Amino acid sequence: DGGITQSPKYLFRKEGQNVTLSCEQNLNHDAMYWYRQDPGQGLRLIYYSQIVNDFQKGDIAEGYSVSREKKESFPLTVTSAQKNPTAFYLCASTRGGQGRYGYTFGSGTRLTVV
Amino acid sequence: KNQVEQSPQSLIILEGKNCTLQCNYTVSPFSNLRWYKQDTGRGPVSLTIMTFSENTKSNGRYTATLDADTKQSSLHITASQLSDSASYICVVVILTGGGNKLTFGTGTQLKVEL
Repeated sequence: DGGITQSPKYLFRKEGQNVTLSCEQNLNHDAMYWYRQDPGQGLRLIYYSQIVNDFQKGDIAEGYSVSREKKESFPLTVTSAQKNPTAFYLCASTRGGQGRYGYTFGSGTRLTVV
Repeated sequence: KNQVEQSPQSLIILEGKNCTLQCNYTVSPFSNLRWYKQDTGRGPVSLTIMTFSENTKSNGRYTATLDADTKQSSLHITASQLSDSASYICVVVILTGGGNKLTFGTGTQLKVEL
């Protein structure tokens, strides 16, 4: 079955540590996205990529980095520069053209700073 | 002030009853409006997508309406079931120079009880 897989489901990070969240899709979608979800707020866009080897900053990119070396994969690194990283992170993919097609979301990674 | 406002913030209903969730938006220019269902700790799942010309769209017991003139949408759930307990998120897609942009509401938390 086609889908989008995020791992791990839960992640704990120590202060000053970088961590990488995995996102893999087998839907043959061109575009992939990372969102952050905080209680009482709507999803906010961190980074997005519409083609391999290209990505763009979203609304809250500071303290995050991404890569898109393969069509199927779009990992997100939360760096020590991100001051408040505790949140629920969602990866999504779509056939192409941001907002033109339906989005498929992963099951999310809950990141907690300890 | 959120550009996509949802009401009520939370709602409790008895199993078998109907309910209606509201979404008012101020963002423009409008491309399409989506409703998503998000179970706790999971990614959102698409329920409906409506373009400017569509007034209503159904998906099983879910019926969404759209009034693009007043910038209002509603999601009606018929004969609610315990499995309908979730957060329902309204998403408005707008046209920008760099492509389409998604703006997420903060969601309505629905609980269905026996």
